[in-house]
Amino acid sequence: GDSVTQMEGPVTLSEEAFLTINCTYTATGYPSLFWYVQYPGEGLQLLLKATKADDKGSNKGFEATYRKETTSFHLEKGSVQVSDSAVYFCALSANTGFQKLVFGTGTRLLVSP
Amino acid sequence: DVKVTQSSRYLVKRTGEKVFLECVQDMDHENMFWYRQDPGLGLRLIYFSYDVKMKEKGDIPEGYSVSREKKERFSLILESASTNQTSMYLCASRLTSRGGYEQYFGPGTRLTVT
Repeated sequence: GDSVTQMEGPVTLSEEAFLTINCTYTATGYPSLFWYVQYPGEGLQLLLKATKADDKGSNKGFEATYRKETTSFHLEKGSVQVSDSAVYFCALSANTGFQKLVFGTGTRLLVSP
Repeated sequence: DVKVTQSSRYLVKRTGEKVFLECVQDMDHENMFWYRQDPGLGLRLIYFSYDVKMKEKGDIPEGYSVSREKKERFSLILESASTNQTSMYLCASRLTSRGGYEQYFGPGTRLTVT
């Protein structure tokens, strides 16, 4: 079945450092890909998404590019802030049928001043 | 803005109790979902609902049931709570399954079963 693998955390960075969180997927067909973020004490919220190969999703300085050839959707940000500390989830959904989300295990990001 | 609310942020129940977790969305969404979130396991789908009175099992339905009598409300029921159901429970809703719409999540209910 479909699955998502993302890097183990926590990822610990200093403010203004460059961020990469790796995400790879296994799926039949051509899924849509998502990054969700969960701030402390809150539910998940959509950070960005891409629906087809070579699409780049972006939001709040974060970017991720849908790479079909490497089945990857890595999350990047050029300069992280303390307020970016959160848990980041990579997810996919098939583009047919009910389009359920399949999540990775989450990566905790800790940014220190 | 879409709002998904859950009845409790924290809940403590005893083994064997019947537990109700309530979720309400205010945007006339067709689809609703219940997940549990556990460290190292991410989010796992318990049940989902296409529309009013319609429900489908997700990946881990054992020990749970659901009810959707009104479009805006989706209830998760633990028939006889057990300690292995201690977890964070997240509800989500989505406009429809057609067209790549995102899911909107509630703040979660942290359930402890003692």
